[in-house]
Amino acid sequence: AQSVTQLGSHVSVSEGALVLLRCNYSSSVPPYLFWYVQYPNQGLQLLLKYTSAATLVKGINDFEAEFKKSETSFHLTKPSAHMSDAAEYFCAVSEETSGSRLTFGEGTQLTVNP
Amino acid sequence: EPEVTQTPSHQVTQMGQEVILRCVPISNHLYFYWYRQILGQKVEFLVSFYNNEISEKSEIFDDQFSVERPDGSNFTLKIRSTKLEDSAMYFCASSWTGPYGYTFGSGTRLTVV
Repeated sequence: AQSVTQLGSHVSVSEGALVLLRCNYSSSVPPYLFWYVQYPNQGLQLLLKYTSAATLVKGINDFEAEFKKSETSFHLTKPSAHMSDAAEYFCAVSEETSGSRLTFGEGTQLTVNP
Repeated sequence: EPEVTQTPSHQVTQMGQEVILRCVPISNHLYFYWYRQILGQKVEFLVSFYNNEISEKSEIFDDQFSVERPDGSNFTLKIRSTKLEDSAMYFCASSWTGPYGYTFGSGTRLTVV
């Protein structure tokens, strides 16, 4: 069965600082991995996805994530935080055998301080 | 950019009442989904729908829930007899190719009183 663990329910950074949001997954088959962002009172917006191509994935708004099979990780990073990055971030996993359901992590609330 | 549209954005219903949440998926998408997010918790899969039938459902999706694609454009989630614990944000999603191309709607906040 697939699962996702996001380390840190709340992360706080200063504007301009590096953003690092951690995600570890468990999957019995090669996974597909995703990061979604949710702004207050809005839906889920896809930031980036890993689907077994390049291990370093670039997404929107300068976010990127690296798939590390040996560490079963898919951490999200951004070199320089903006105030507008304040939101909740969800890591998700899907296995091709699961009928394409997404299993989400608990989410990480990112706060950006001026 | 094509969108998944959900209506209403907020619905309040009394416990025990039936409620229907509506979604208009992206027109050329083939896979349809419902997820829910209880306040402060993670997003949970409810059901997937493909080729006019349920392809997968979670343990949450019991006999109180049903889905339908009545007219080739709408995709609905019905809860027959709502409970307090059904209060949540319900997200519809559609995809043309499984998990790779999901588009989520902005959600319907259901409040059961």
